[in-house]
Amino acid sequence: DARVTQTPRHKVTEMGQEVTMRCQPILGHNTVFWYRQTMMQGLELLAYFRNRAPLDDSGMPKDRFSAEMPDATLATLKIQPSEPRDSAVYFCASGLGTGTYEQYFGPGTRLTVT
Amino acid sequence: AQTVTQSQPEMSVQEAETVTLSCTYDTSENNYYLFWYKQPPSRQMILVIRQEAYKQQNATENRFSVNFQKAAKSFSLKISDSQLGDTAMYFCASSSETSYDKVIFGPGTSLSVIP
Repeated sequence: DARVTQTPRHKVTEMGQEVTMRCQPILGHNTVFWYRQTMMQGLELLAYFRNRAPLDDSGMPKDRFSAEMPDATLATLKIQPSEPRDSAVYFCASGLGTGTYEQYFGPGTRLTVT
Repeated sequence: AQTVTQSQPEMSVQEAETVTLSCTYDTSENNYYLFWYKQPPSRQMILVIRQEAYKQQNATENRFSVNFQKAAKSFSLKISDSQLGDTAMYFCASSSETSYDKVIFGPGTSLSVIP
């Protein structure tokens, strides 16, 4: 069955390194979301795209985070340079953008920055 | 701005019993959607049930049902005949009429089903 895929599933890196997380939305979905989940802040929306165009990235630290959709089958979230406070689980979700506006989540990337 | 509140950080229920998780939200919109998502230990977020604000009838999905009180801005989830597989974090969420794509999540309730 169709599902959102994310790579890598786990990433451990040192402070200052660049981290790139990738997401493949469900084929035919035109909206893509990036969330960050931590114990302290819960689930936060970082950015989202509709038809590959960024609609809202107000939840994202602009100085070090960037999100792109090079094509309809790939969304990326990049952190450069990474910091220990970026340690979290990052989820990608996709949706049809119409109807019930249901979002389908990927399995997440657990990022640890030491 | 929309907000979603879940006042019960943790709950437990005996297997086969019924449990209700609370959720309140705040919005100035007339039309919106409400959701309950489940996050089991596997971390996968799964949509459990959705409610359209303009529909008065409460949504049901098998053992899951909601009590939607629009005037009180309350949206509770009832799980009947609880099963061990229901052990998970449950997130209440809402979207706005002006931006249906943007879903605001509550802090979550950790539910443990005890055998």
